[in-house]
Amino acid sequence: DVKVTQSSRYLVKRTGEKVFLECVQDMDHENMFWYRQDPGLGLRLIYFSYDVKMKEKGDIPEGYSVSREKKERFSLILESASTNQTSMYLCASSRFREAYNEQFFGPGTRLTVL
Amino acid sequence: DQQVKQNSPSLSVQEGRISILNCDYTNSMFDYFLWYKKYPAEGPTFLISISSIKDKNEDGRFTVFLNKSAKHLSLHIVPSQPGDSAVYFCAASAMGNQFYFGTGTSLTVIP
Repeated sequence: DVKVTQSSRYLVKRTGEKVFLECVQDMDHENMFWYRQDPGLGLRLIYFSYDVKMKEKGDIPEGYSVSREKKERFSLILESASTNQTSMYLCASSRFREAYNEQFFGPGTRLTVL
Repeated sequence: DQQVKQNSPSLSVQEGRISILNCDYTNSMFDYFLWYKKYPAEGPTFLISISSIKDKNEDGRFTVFLNKSAKHLSLHIVPSQPGDSAVYFCAASAMGNQFYFGTGTSLTVIP
């Protein structure tokens, strides 16, 4: 059974704090993704990675960075959290370069920045 | 700029009837489309897909139709069941690159 796990389901942080969101997949997938989901905006891609130590910007990378030191783990970092980063964050993974391959999602992390 | 749009934020349907969820896209390079289903407090799960070489794909109660000339796809659920109540996202990709997601439609199936 495929599985993508995220370190926290709910997180509350203060403005200016550094925030780490962790994602782990056990499917040996090469591709990993970070999205945020906001009402009326759907899912928007923040960053993705096709391989270890490799990263690509998505549509809304500003204010975020990522780290992929191991194949199974993809971290999203908010260097200095701001209130407009309050959102649901979803991690996903898929097989490498198999075009049109579905993405498997984690349960999400609801982040509130006060 | 939203390349994939779901213009109906919500839809209510009686149990046993057909649910039709719509999705429009603007990028003519999109050649693969998926539908995801999302329950509250869970991540989206893959439901059904269609390639641009087809105009219909069926999987049990779920059928996706693609109209390339209109840049429109739809998901039909027949018959609708209360367990189908969820948010449905359509997503589109061009040549296997990143997927672009729509804003979602919240479906409520009334028993």
